[in-house]
Formats: sequence, C-alpha cells, structure tokens
Amino acid sequence: QQQVKQSPQSLIVQKGGISIINCAYENTAFDYFPWYQQFPGKGPALLIAIRPDVSEKKEGRFTISFNKSANQFSLHIMDSQPGDSATYFCAASGGSNYKLTFGKGTLLTVNP
Amino acid sequence: KAGVTQTPRYLIKTRGQQVTLSCSPISGHRSVSWYQQTPGQGLQFLFEYFSETQRNKGNFPGRFSGRQFSNSRSEMNVSTLELGDSALYLCASSLIPGGSNQPQHFGDGTRLSIL
Repeated sequence: QQQVKQSPQSLIVQKGGISIINCAYENTAFDYFPWYQQFPGKGPALLIAIRPDVSEKKEGRFTISFNKSANQFSLHIMDSQPGDSATYFCAASGGSNYKLTFGKGTLLTVNP
Repeated sequence: KAGVTQTPRYLIKTRGQQVTLSCSPISGHRSVSWYQQTPGQGLQFLFEYFSETQRNKGNFPGRFSGRQFSNSRSEMNVSTLELGDSALYLCASSLIPGGSNQPQHFGDGTRLSIL
C-alpha cells in the first residue's frame, strides 16, 4: 500500500522555468510533510517542510503549497537552475508513527 | 557541525553472508532511523532507535536488525544475505524521535552489493 503518491516520475524544465512536483497522501493522521533533494551518490537532503496548519511555506526559490481538504501538497521551484537537477522526494509522518513515508521520487532535469 | 556519518560507503558481499553497517548521528542527536533505498521500492523505513531502544520497526524480515549504543551511534545487521538485499542503506538522525517538527538528516549511505 503506497501511502504517499508522487508525480510526475520525471520532469524536464528549461532554465528559468517553474518546476512543479505533486504528492497525495492517504493517511489523514500525517502532520509533517518534508521535501528532500537527492543528488547521485549522496543521501537525501532536507529542503523544506510544512505542517498542515499553514497553506504555503516559502524558502528562497522553493515553495510548498498544502491543500488539506484534498490531502495533497506540492513543491514549486521558481527560476529553476541546472544545479537543481536532482531527484526530489516528498514524505510524510505523524500520528503515533514517527517514521517517514516517502513518495517514489521525481527526477528533475533542468536544461541550460 | 559534522553531518551523519555512515561507514563503510561501499560493501560487496555474497549470498548467505552477514553484514554490519555503522552510523554516527549528528552531535546531540539522539534518535537514529534506518532506511533502505532501491530503484524499485524507493525509500523504505527499516527501524528507529532512541535511547538504545527500538521504538518503531518497518515491514522487513527478522534478518534485519539493529541496535543503538549509549553514545547514540547505531549499527544495523543483515544476516543470511539475499540478492534482493542489494540496496543503498541510509541512516537519518534527529534530535528526538522524528515526526512532527523533528527534521531527519540523512547520511550518504552504505551501498551494499550482493553477488
């Protein structure tokens, strides 16, 4: 049972464009939603996180939008750069279970 | 501040052997979680330790085990290795058990290959 569904699997964006990655979750007990960025040969690095009491959180070029009624959240990367090319994972945790449940990942390629 | 350190970075074993992987959390972090990453299954939770106690366990067979020491360092062990155990094993640490408002920071993992 996949509790966090992430789309698209891969995404190609031109430099300067907006990258959008979406995630949907099933467990309504989730109350913490982080995004991780992973480069080849490296572990996932925490990018930005949100709790359901806010609808949007912005850090630099990265924004999380949260839609509690639809059980969905998304990552927007503004002014995408070639250096943003990486795999992005959404995740969720909460309730009595502190483990992170991850989406399958999105391979982002930003063309120069 | 040093990040999460995992050793070794690469390991090659054969079927039937056992392996022990090590993780040193960020200084001051007391909770350590382990994840398995494969192309097919993605990132899957193995177990979490806090104060030398396993608090949470994922859906993996008993061949996968772990422990945490008093200095918060953790090890995981896989016995009777199978080809399907080939994966990147990731360790993450947080100040206290993860979840709400407790970011988990990952190491770069141990790449385990089973021949």
